[in-house]
Amino acid sequence: GDSVTQTEGQVTVSESKSLIINCTYSTTSIAYPNLFWYVRYPGEGLQLLLKVITAGQKGSSRGFEATYNKETTSFHLQKASVQESDSAVYYCALVPDTNAYKVIFGKGTHLHVLP
Amino acid sequence: DAGVTQTPRHEVAEKGQTIILKCEPVSGHNDLFWYRQTKIQGLELLSYFRSKSLMEDGGAFKDRFKAEMLNSSFSTLKIQPTEPKDSAVYLCASSPGNSDYTFGSGTRLLVI
Repeated sequence: GDSVTQTEGQVTVSESKSLIINCTYSTTSIAYPNLFWYVRYPGEGLQLLLKVITAGQKGSSRGFEATYNKETTSFHLQKASVQESDSAVYYCALVPDTNAYKVIFGKGTHLHVLP
Repeated sequence: DAGVTQTPRHEVAEKGQTIILKCEPVSGHNDLFWYRQTKIQGLELLSYFRSKSLMEDGGAFKDRFKAEMLNSSFSTLKIQPTEPKDSAVYLCASSPGNSDYTFGSGTRLLVI
């Protein structure tokens, strides 16, 4: 079946340091999946951070970037310099193809940024 | 901002009680989803409706979980009877029929 594997548990980074949260995916679809990063800030709902639907392209938002790599089936989330306000839970997700309705989520990574 | 509205924000129930969570999707969205969010399992799909018809109910959750959508602007998730392992955040999401989900803020349930 379709699945997403991401860095599990909590990641702690000091403010202004760089960040990478790993995400790899697996799909049985013959089409290339659409890939997403969602974020849940404390006290808020889950919201879309960025989305890439074309292999080889990069998505970016709020200083975060992720590149869709079909060779390594990866979609790692990176940021050059994190801020305390980035502390949140991040979810990597995929939809097997553009017409699919169901989003498959990873288990989430809790980012804690130290001031 | 007419996003997805979930009520209540917090719920505390005693083991064995029946609780009902509510969700109002974005107006015009045809798809509605209920997810359970825990640290261990992440996001697990409980139910999926398209145009008010139940399309999928997560098999493992059939026993005590029942989602309904009586009209296009309102859905409920009933848990009966509740167990301590049901303690989690329950998220409702809607979409216009593609992968552009809008999530609610969730209901945090604690079963004691």
